[in-house]
Amino acid sequence: NAGVMQNPRHLVRRRGQEARLRCSPMKGHSHVYWYRQLPEEGLKFMVYLQKENIIDESGMPKERFSAEFPKEGPSILRIQQVVRGDSAAYFCASSPLLETDTQYFGPGTRLTVL
Amino acid sequence: DAKTTQPNSMESNEEEPVHLPCNHSTISGTDYIHWYRQLPSQGPEYVIHGLTSNVNNRMASLAIAEDRKSSTLILHRATLRDAAVYYCILRRVNTGKLIFGQGTTLQVKP
Repeated sequence: NAGVMQNPRHLVRRRGQEARLRCSPMKGHSHVYWYRQLPEEGLKFMVYLQKENIIDESGMPKERFSAEFPKEGPSILRIQQVVRGDSAAYFCASSPLLETDTQYFGPGTRLTVL
Repeated sequence: DAKTTQPNSMESNEEEPVHLPCNHSTISGTDYIHWYRQLPSQGPEYVIHGLTSNVNNRMASLAIAEDRKSSTLILHRATLRDAAVYYCILRRVNTGKLIFGQGTTLQVKP
């Protein structure tokens, strides 16, 4: 059973461009979570999704950030018009049916904004 | 969300036990105590969790105080691969998100 997969592992964007980060949960997992880790800081929750539904987006910045988890395919975290402050490691996690189950994390996508 | 307090850093010698403390004096009855760790340049990894009773698994043991206001993660024999940041997290039942603090950076010396 493959683990949580994220791609790309490294992404470089110039200011003003769009960044799309993908997350494929573990097989059979229907809950996806996104976290962000700024340099030298701890992880911060961003959003929690189930298939086709956003359950909790309390940690998402109000502008430029969006997330989806379609019926088919990976979950996508989209950042429009990136700024240097968006440079961070973005981690995705998944869990099975119950939302309180253990979360399994992917290796992360390291976004660098030039 | 209830807050946890951990020491910023700890050191251990290889092959010796390590006790990582966590204070959570404002814990509520529906809060589970979770521990995750993050190795350098990797995503967090689940270690163990519990509610009231002590718990053991292949990675570690979790000792929970009787009043639940503190807990201790026990690594029975530290190895160099255990060097990581260890996060103690309170997770309320029916809550999806994990609230990470600063964690404890564990250094393991050969």
